Amino acid sequence: AQKVTQAQTEISVVEKEDVTLDCVYETRDTTYYLFWYKQPPSGELVFLIRRNSFDEQNEISGRYSWNFQKSTSSFNFTITASQVVDSAVYFCALSDPYSGGGADGLTFGKGTHLIIQP
Amino acid sequence: DVKVTQSSRYLVKRTGEKVFLECVQDMDHENMFWYRQDPGLGLRLIYFSYDVKMKEKGDIPEGYSVSREKKERFSLILESASTNQTSMYLCASSSRTSGSYADTQYFGPGTRLTVL
Repeated sequence: AQKVTQAQTEISVVEKEDVTLDCVYETRDTTYYLFWYKQPPSGELVFLIRRNSFDEQNEISGRYSWNFQKSTSSFNFTITASQVVDSAVYFCALSDPYSGGGADGLTFGKGTHLIIQP
Repeated sequence: DVKVTQSSRYLVKRTGEKVFLECVQDMDHENMFWYRQDPGLGLRLIYFSYDVKMKEKGDIPEGYSVSREKKERFSLILESASTNQTSMYLCASSSRTSGSYADTQYFGPGTRLTVL
């Protein structure tokens, strides 16, 4: 069965610090997709990134970067020079497109609550 | 811009009532999903649909049903609401691009349902 583990329930840092959110996943399949979403206090999940299992290149988008390591089944997310607006719950998710017919849902981790203190 | 809307942000119902949660997307997406989110449990898939009138059970379908009569609209129905269905309900949609099964899901703002 698929599983996504976000071991850090809550992280609190002071503004401008760098912070890394960990995500470890389990799947038996060789083809899969990984996602990160941000859920600010307003409640809506905001899509951040989608990565397929064949693309192990790290990705950088402004202050955000992602490190995908297939060897350790990890897809970690780093925020550089954190800001108060980064405060949110962050979810890592795994999709297995070949586990069945139709459109499968995402298996989510339980989320990491990130608090950026001014 | 991608847009998924849900009929209510907050809803209060009584035990035993029939409850309808509506979700509409304007991206012409084939796939639509209903999740519930609870503290400590994360998001769990209730039902999904990959076409009009088609539906598939997710991980926790008990106590729920769904309806998809039009491509843009996906309804979640609680036939007889119970207090353990108090939760945040999130709707999502995604396209079904040929050759790429796991397109990004885009979420609505959520409906916080309280059953008294």
